[in-house]
Amino acid sequence: SQQGEEDPQALSIQEGENATMNCSYKTSINNLQWYRQNSGRGLVHLILIRSNEREKHSGRLRVTLDTSKKSSSLLITASRAADTASYFCAPLSAGNMLTFGGGTRLMVKP
Amino acid sequence: EAQVTQNPRYLITVTGKKLTVTCSQNMNHEYMSWYRQDPGLGLRQIYYSMNVEVTDKGDVPEGYKVSRKEKRNFPLILESPSPNQTSLYFCASSYKESTEAFFGQGTRLTVV
Repeated sequence: SQQGEEDPQALSIQEGENATMNCSYKTSINNLQWYRQNSGRGLVHLILIRSNEREKHSGRLRVTLDTSKKSSSLLITASRAADTASYFCAPLSAGNMLTFGGGTRLMVKP
Repeated sequence: EAQVTQNPRYLITVTGKKLTVTCSQNMNHEYMSWYRQDPGLGLRQIYYSMNVEVTDKGDVPEGYKVSRKEKRNFPLILESPSPNQTSLYFCASSYKESTEAFFGQGTRLTVV
């Protein structure tokens, strides 16, 4: 299994600003998933983007995927204090398991 | 409601005393897995199961056992817990290994 590497490790912004997190991976994938984790809680699935997709939206979330660069980004627009959490990407190849990197810790200040 | 249920949520135990953390899902998922989360080390996979009676080691299986006798349950067994197994544990399930995963609420284990 491969795990994604999220960047930056930590991000602090003001409420209303946009937050961008990046994910890089090493080998070809079938899909890439993003998850959110509130402190001490279980991960919650946010969005799945398939390898043949370039962009996907869900509410205030926008995910892009560039398979040529082996990278993905998660954009949260008009952030809210409730978006404060850690965000993880999980690149998945066929037959492989869901594994996680260290995540990006996002702090949204009111 | 679709959910993954772990029990207990919190546990303090002593070194060497066998314990089991239960995990149950109500979504008829084939794939289940266990992770531990430690500061600075992220989430690491302990064991996973792709179906009943099919289990395999993840990245950090030492000191743990699992079983998958029924589709809905995937207990994590620590035969002889040690302090280095103090951690936050998560169970997860998904329809297949590459589809959306659902996580339990977590079990915070302290071994003294």
